[in-house]
This record gives sequence, structure tokens and C-alpha cells, in this order.
Amino acid sequence: DAKTTQPNSMESNEEEPVHLPCNHSTISGTDYIHWYRQLPSQGPEYVIHGLTSNVNNRMASLAIAEDRKSSTLILHRATLRDAAVYYCILRAIAGGTSYGKLTFGQGTILTVHP
Amino acid sequence: DSGVTQTPKHLITATGQRVTLRCSPRSGDLSVYWYQQSLDQGLQFLIQYYNGEERAKGNILERFSAQQFPDLHSELNLSSLELGDSALYFCASSTTLSSYNSPLHFGNGTRLTVT
Repeated sequence: DAKTTQPNSMESNEEEPVHLPCNHSTISGTDYIHWYRQLPSQGPEYVIHGLTSNVNNRMASLAIAEDRKSSTLILHRATLRDAAVYYCILRAIAGGTSYGKLTFGQGTILTVHP
Repeated sequence: DSGVTQTPKHLITATGQRVTLRCSPRSGDLSVYWYQQSLDQGLQFLIQYYNGEERAKGNILERFSAQQFPDLHSELNLSSLELGDSALYFCASSTTLSSYNSPLHFGNGTRLTVT
């Protein structure tokens, strides 16, 4: 899977929007962009994924650059419960020997201040 | 609640021992994945099963083995335990073989402490 680069940490205030960036300059045309988060003492949690177009769901929005070399996870109004490690992961359509696995990097630690 | 159940939640054992971690996937999910998370290594993929068959392998030690049973639950067996095996072990499940367009749903893990 292609590599992603994320800031080590970010901070936000409660009820403000948060934009979490991810760079993936070596992304291929068949790579999906996935975001997961891991709250303290819990397993990772799926947030959102997309291929080319921007995506919205009840948790967040995913904005994908036109050249697909970067993406941004947007939390519209951060809450204290959004404090977590956020992982940006690329998944290729072709399975090969890595059918389903997600390769987690170090992610971004998001701190939300009251 | 992800729908993935892992037991036990905590396990404390001694070096050299053998333990079994159990995972029940979400209803209808055919793929089961095992991950190890330690402080210095982050989340590491161990192995994937799909409908009872092993389909992908990560950096899983030879002392570790897994299987998926006909009812789709999975077990991860860790033997000859060493101090360095102390970690959180997560199970995840998904509906399909490949996760490129399908989310993985993770359990809350088993915390293994080897003393």
C-alpha cells in the first residue's frame, strides 16, 4: 500500500471545526482513502472512505484534492469525544497477498480542549 | 458498539505459557483479522481469515497461530509466551474479502500481560 503522511498531533477547541490533513503523493488510481480513529482504550473505529469525490457521513466529511495527492478529514464541530488518534490509510483495489489488511501508520493525535 | 466481541478482556499469564484469544465477528461478516498493538510498534496486522480459510499473513510469529471455525468465530493462539508479547490484541471483521471499499469493524481488544 502507498504511504501516507500525517502531522503527529493537532489541537482544537470544542465546537470548532477540525481539519485533519493527510498527504499521499504516491497514491495510485485504484487506491481508496480510508480514515479510522482510535479512542483511548478502544479498538479502531471506521470513520469514512472515498476514491475521488468528496464524501459526507454522519461522523465527518472527506475532502479529496483534485490530483488525489492529499485529503482532509473534516470534523464539523469537535466534541470532547472526538479526542482520538486519527489514521489515514490507503487501500488498493487489487488484493494480491494483502487482501483485506489495513496498514496503520502513526496517525494524528487530536486533542480537543473544552 | 461495533458488534465484534472479544474475550477475555484482560489476560495475565507467565512466560512460557500458552493462551487463546477468542473473537466473534459481526453477524454476517465472513472476514476476520487479527492485529497486535504494542506501545513501540503501533497497530500491526497479524493474519486474516475469510470464510474459514487463511487469506493474508502479516508479521505473525511462528509461535502464534489462528483459525476460523465454521460458525465464523476465530481464535488466536499464542504459545511459548515472552515478555515482549504483552500487548493489546484486536480482532476486526468485514463483510468482504478485501477491505478497499468495505470498512473493518474492530472489537475492543484483549489486553495480554506476560509476567
